[in-house]
Amino acid sequence: DGGITQSPKYLFRKEGQNVTLSCEQNLNHDAMYWYRQDPGQGLRLIYYSQIVNDFQKGDIAEGYSVSREKKESFPLTVTSAQKNPTAFYLCASSTRQGGETQYFGPGTRLLVL
Amino acid sequence: EDQVTQSPEALRLQEGESSSLNCSYTVSGLRGLFWYRQDPGKGPEFLFTLYSAGEEKEKERLKATLTKKESFLHITAPKPEDSATYLCAVHTGRRALTFGSGTRLQVQP
Repeated sequence: DGGITQSPKYLFRKEGQNVTLSCEQNLNHDAMYWYRQDPGQGLRLIYYSQIVNDFQKGDIAEGYSVSREKKESFPLTVTSAQKNPTAFYLCASSTRQGGETQYFGPGTRLLVL
Repeated sequence: EDQVTQSPEALRLQEGESSSLNCSYTVSGLRGLFWYRQDPGKGPEFLFTLYSAGEEKEKERLKATLTKKESFLHITAPKPEDSATYLCAVHTGRRALTFGSGTRLQVQP
């Protein structure tokens, strides 16, 4: 089955710790995205990538980093510089950057200990 | 700056009671409007894409329409399983999607 997988489902971060969220897709999509969702709010764009080895900052990139070494994978690192990391993180992909439909993974909930 | 506003924030319906959700947008150059359904603790599930004013799309009890300023998601004779948060998003060709904050729909039996 084609789709997007995210792991882990829940992640706990200690003070000062960097954590990495995994996102993998087997849809052969070129573009991938990371969004953050807080209770009662819409999705906010963190980073996006249109092609391997290239990515751009979204609206709330501070405290986050990404890499795109493979077409299938777009991991997100939440660094210690992100002071309020508790949120639901969603990864998405689309055939290409543009007016194409984005398909989402199941999400990772990050909690701070 | 692109803006998307969804109303109401929350809606409670009785089973079979039809209603509409609104998504109004202020953008320069709409290239697509998207509707998603999101269940608690899960990723959004794609429902519809609308590209031009006057366009309509249907899926089971849902029907999405688009004008130059807003989109409606009409729910006909809803069932409890239609309970979810419905998200609207727009694309203007600049970057990724801009999302509204969603409408939480609860359908009571």
